[in-house]
Formats: sequence, structure tokens, C-alpha cells
Amino acid sequence: DAKTTQPPSMDCAEGRAANLPCNHSTISGNEYVYWYRQIHSQGPQYIIHGLKNNETNEMASLIITEDRKSSTLILPHATLRDTAVYYCIVRVPHTGTASKLTFGTGTRLQVTL
Amino acid sequence: GAVVSQHPSWVICKSGTSVKIECRSLDFQATTMFWYRQFPKQSLMLMATSNEGSKATYEQGVEKDKFLINHASLTLSTLTVTSAHPEDSSFYICSAKTGGNTGELFFGEGSRLTVL
Repeated sequence: DAKTTQPPSMDCAEGRAANLPCNHSTISGNEYVYWYRQIHSQGPQYIIHGLKNNETNEMASLIITEDRKSSTLILPHATLRDTAVYYCIVRVPHTGTASKLTFGTGTRLQVTL
Repeated sequence: GAVVSQHPSWVICKSGTSVKIECRSLDFQATTMFWYRQFPKQSLMLMATSNEGSKATYEQGVEKDKFLINHASLTLSTLTVTSAHPEDSSFYICSAKTGGNTGELFFGEGSRLTVL
């Protein structure tokens, strides 16, 4: 699985958009970009994933650059409940035992009043 | 999204005792589940892959005789920490994958183990 680089921490004012970057310059053509987040003392929560097109769901938007070497997770209107560690993971979507995820250190997002 | 449930959410035990943690996929079947461990202020570390009907696959450095994994059905995997010691105190998290090639992994709420 390709390695990712994320800033260790970010702050965002409540109500503003939170833009979390992720660099994955060694991503290969068949690897997807996945985002998870972990609120303190809870299990990780799936947010969104994509291959090359931008994706949007009820939680967030994922913007992937044309060369696919970086991506940005956007929380359009951050709330205090979005305070969490956000993990960007790139991998080939496997079936069965190969579908395990390898977590990096992530970005700790602090949403403030 | 799919629901994965863990039980208990927290447990305190005495050193030398064994503790069992359950992981259930509530609305889907999971032939494969994964067990992670997370120490304070650290990221999740994969411990083992649990396969329904067969032996688990352990990551390097994880003692299979200490962390017993059983995956007896398509909706239940258990992790038993045997002869627990204070250094085993940690946050244990399981995950399961929904079907399909792009099926995402869903995680349980985690189980916090404290060994006295």
C-alpha cells in the first residue's frame, strides 16, 4: 500500500470548512484513497473513498488531484463533533484477508468555537 | 453504514486472568474480521486477521498463544487475552469488511481493557 503524508494537526473554527490534505505521491493506478476518522475513545468511522473522480456524500467531499498524488478531505461546515483524528489511507480494495487497513499517524483536527 | 458491535466496551481485570472480547457484524456477514490494538496517543496497530472457519493470521510480534482468536460464525469473532498483564492494557478494536471489491471496512466501538 502506498505511503501517505498528513499534517499532524489542524485547527478549524466551527461552521467553517475544514480542508484536510493528504499526499500520496507514490500511489499506483489501482489504489483508492480512503478516509476514516477516529473520535476519542471510539473505533474508526468510515468517511469516504475514491479512485480518481471527486466524491461527495452526506459527511464530506473528497477532492483528488488530476495526477492523483494528493487529495483533500473537505468537511463543509465543521462542528465540534468533528473533532477527531483523520486518517488518509491508500490501498487496493482487496477481498478477504487482504482487505486489512494500515493506519498512519493521521491529522488531529480540533474544531473550536 | 454497516454496523459492527463489540462487547464489552470496557473491562477491568486482575493480572493473570483471561478476558474475552466479542466482535459482531450486526447486519452483514463477514468471512474476515480484523483485530487492532491502540495504545494511548498512538495509531491503530493490526494484531491479527480472523478468518471464519479457519485459524487466524497473526502479525509479526503478536503472540498467538496469548491472543486467542476464534471466528466460529460469519457474524462473530472473539479475541481472548490470556493471562493478562498490565502491559496488555489497551484499546482493542475489531473491524469487518462488507462485500464487493470496493467494500469498505467498518469498525466496532472498541473495548478498553485495564489489567490491574
